[in-house]
Amino acid sequence: EAQVTQNPRYLITVTGKKLTVTCSQNMNHEYMSWYRQDPGLGLRQIYYSMNVEVTDKGDVPEGYKVSRKEKRNFPLILESPSPNQTSLYFCASSYLGSNSPLHFGNGTRLTVT
Amino acid sequence: DAKTTQPPSMDCAEGRAANLPCNHSTISGNEYVYWYRQIHSQGPQYIIHGLKNNETNEMASLIITEDRKSSTLILPHATLRDTAVYYCIGFRGGSNYKLTFGKGTLLTVNP
Repeated sequence: EAQVTQNPRYLITVTGKKLTVTCSQNMNHEYMSWYRQDPGLGLRQIYYSMNVEVTDKGDVPEGYKVSRKEKRNFPLILESPSPNQTSLYFCASSYLGSNSPLHFGNGTRLTVT
Repeated sequence: DAKTTQPPSMDCAEGRAANLPCNHSTISGNEYVYWYRQIHSQGPQYIIHGLKNNETNEMASLIITEDRKSSTLILPHATLRDTAVYYCIGFRGGSNYKLTFGKGTLLTVNP
């Protein structure tokens, strides 16, 4: 089944403890992206990648890192999480081209205390 | 990408057609109209998209006006599981392929 898989689904951590949220897609998509969703602010793009080894900042990249060493994986790294990074995170992927829909994962709910 | 305007909420009776409008008067010629929905805290789900012509798939139909300034998403036989926030988005790719989600329309399907 074609899908975008994120792990973990829920994560509770403490301030400053490094964490990684994994994202994997099995559709051979070139494009991958991370969004966060917060009440009243909607979905905002964090980072995106057009292809392997090509990543760039979205609207809210501060405090996050990403890597794209393989086409299928696009992990989101929080080196030193802070409470303002408590949010619902979504990974998404698509083929390049405006005629290609974006496919989203089921989300990771992160709580930083 | 085009700014879109949607009603904040709509109701629909189960089994009836749900017609969700969207205004996108500033849409450019190469910009697609995409519809997504999000069921409470789940990942946004792609529904349908189109450029100029009306489109239909197993989930819905998309009617785009001839001047492309507005569109309507039609769910032909709404069920309770169609209760969700529906987003209409103009998208043409661009430098970051970013989908800009507005506030969308909360569709509530009532028994």
